[in-house]
Amino acid sequence: NAGVTQTPKFQVLKTGQSMTLQCAQDMNHEYMSWYRQDPGMGLRLIHYSVGAGITDQGEVPNGYNVSRSTTEDFPLRLLSAAPSQTSVYFCASSYSGVSTDTQYFGPGTRLTVL
Amino acid sequence: AQSVTQPDIHITVSEGASLELRCNYSYGATPYLFWYVQSPGQGLQLLLKYFSGDTLVQGIKGFEAEFKRSQSSFNLRKPSVHWSDAAEYFCAVGAGDYKLSFGAGTTVTVRA
Repeated sequence: NAGVTQTPKFQVLKTGQSMTLQCAQDMNHEYMSWYRQDPGMGLRLIHYSVGAGITDQGEVPNGYNVSRSTTEDFPLRLLSAAPSQTSVYFCASSYSGVSTDTQYFGPGTRLTVL
Repeated sequence: AQSVTQPDIHITVSEGASLELRCNYSYGATPYLFWYVQSPGQGLQLLLKYFSGDTLVQGIKGFEAEFKRSQSSFNLRKPSVHWSDAAEYFCAVGAGDYKLSFGAGTTVTVRA
């Protein structure tokens, strides 16, 4: 098992550009999520999905879109990047949720928006 | 809404000494509580979790945590730290099935 994979590892964007952060898992997990990590703020939930075709907002969803067309993949889209979106982004997955299941995290994507 | 406070931003401890990291949570019902560790440049790894039952929870790498409802705390401990324990540690509380709230993290430095 590769676990949770994320691409790219690093990315630099200019303000207004768009991009997609990729996340994939090979553990047949129903639940997937995206977090951003900023210094002194821990991890904050952006969006999550409880299965293919089902997504919902987390704590900081503005400026981000998600979709879940397959169980394996959960891409995060930035439609018009802003400097405030400079952060480290983590994707995570678990069997069915977060309350009792162990979440497995990817290695992260470090994004800089100039 | 649930929240987590980790009062210590940074802790320095000598190798072989004991370590305790504090975590206080705010949540109306019985919480699901977690401790994660993040080594430099890595993702997060689960150390331990508490749902119910015995309030002293054992985890990986020799860590344990104690849930104290009266103090709304879930402190993490290790009797003797190793240099490899240098990392950032996050406490998290689960509210319902789909959302985790993380604390801001505590960075642990281990000196020889």
